[in-house]
Amino acid sequence: DADVTQTPRNRITKTGKRIMLECSQTKGHDRMYWYRQDPGLGLRLIYYSFDVKDINKGEISDGYSVSRQAQAKFSLSLESAIPNQTALYFCATSEGSSSYEQYFGPGTRLTVT
Amino acid sequence: QKEVEQNSGPLSVPEGAIASLNCTYSDRGSQSFFWYRQYSGKSPELIMSIYSNGDKEDGRFTAQLNKASQYVSLLIRDSQPSDSATYLCAVEKGRRALTFGSGTRLQVQP
Repeated sequence: DADVTQTPRNRITKTGKRIMLECSQTKGHDRMYWYRQDPGLGLRLIYYSFDVKDINKGEISDGYSVSRQAQAKFSLSLESAIPNQTALYFCATSEGSSSYEQYFGPGTRLTVT
Repeated sequence: QKEVEQNSGPLSVPEGAIASLNCTYSDRGSQSFFWYRQYSGKSPELIMSIYSNGDKEDGRFTAQLNKASQYVSLLIRDSQPSDSATYLCAVEKGRRALTFGSGTRLQVQP
């Protein structure tokens, strides 16, 4: 089984709808991250969490919210989806303060129409 | 100036040649550097990490770091068509997260 899983893998939704992307990990890592990837723009950090009680905004957090339900689970919500949130979304994990190596989930392709 | 800069490519090399991928970064305080490989439509995969000046070799891959010049590179020896992918450079940002470059697309011609 994959160490980092994301659900759903593909989603098409309409403008104004609320949508949640979920991420689970079995690596036992403390830190979890949400990125979005757009063609030509690389990976941009949305939110990151160092533990259940420590959640931080990344460079593009507007329009998004997150919830760290447990060490192993980190969800990303779009409260009211808009078309420019169409992108590939990745969850990633890292061990903690001793290592910054990040390991990525398979991604969720989100289309907002 | 972008925090992490890479040439978008594509970089085209013949099979068996050495591919050289380059990355510059702006934060002199950065201490950790990473190379990820990403196939089209797939997630980034960590292939190398480097923390000290000099070279680090792992199989056909060599990462090179020069902190004085704020430059990190990845060499791929004996390039194979299966190495065709986008290579992302990532730099640790203030002990909190990584900043990624936009990637260099590598094409290895059979």
